[in-house]
Amino acid sequence: DAGITQSPRHKVTETGTPVTLRCHQTENHRYMYWYRQDPGHGLRLIHYSYGVKDTDKGEVSDGYSVSRSKTEDFLLTLESATSSQTSVYFCATNTGGSFPPYGYTFGSGTRLTVV
Amino acid sequence: AQSVSQHNHHVILSEAASLELGCNYSYGGTVNLFWYVQYPGQHLQLLLKYFSGDPLVKGIKGFEAEFIKSKFSFNLRKPSVQWSDTAEYFCAVTASGGYQKVTFGTGTKLQVIP
Repeated sequence: DAGITQSPRHKVTETGTPVTLRCHQTENHRYMYWYRQDPGHGLRLIHYSYGVKDTDKGEVSDGYSVSRSKTEDFLLTLESATSSQTSVYFCATNTGGSFPPYGYTFGSGTRLTVV
Repeated sequence: AQSVSQHNHHVILSEAASLELGCNYSYGGTVNLFWYVQYPGQHLQLLLKYFSGDPLVKGIKGFEAEFIKSKFSFNLRKPSVQWSDTAEYFCAVTASGGYQKVTFGTGTKLQVIP
């Protein structure tokens, strides 16, 4: 969707290096999420944010950190990349509010390879 | 915490065949349910959603899903599939309210043979 931009789209990095992925949205959505997609696992939530400077862990947060200093940007950092973090990473946003649930809007994904 | 099970991992159909993909969720409270589709090389797109009211939900591209609360199910259906429906389909659930963290199933790959 045009309102969510992920960068970079592809990245190859070496084991042990830090990596930062960026998600930028122009929708002014309150909620933002980082998922990783792996075969046989579907999408698993890494971290999410419910406002500027408000973040929390998802189900697979070990080895990852996030920051949200502005509504439009949500950064995901792999502190020291490992081969198990080779994956496709998706950012998603949600307008928030409990009714109605609009569902997520997804970015195009970042394919990360750790060698 | 909620969870989602998709029992069919890979489905192969011929064009014009009918489709039903199973989805069962686990959660004790009120839920919102979704089906997403991911075409090859693309990101996920919302097919349809249920949050209240009529348990039969119609989505885009002729898809529909039925929420059966007693069975904790939200199966996706399409009467006649096309080659262009080849994609991976994800069922998802979120508890009503809260931070709307969505839990996804592991996905079903649908291959439609012309």
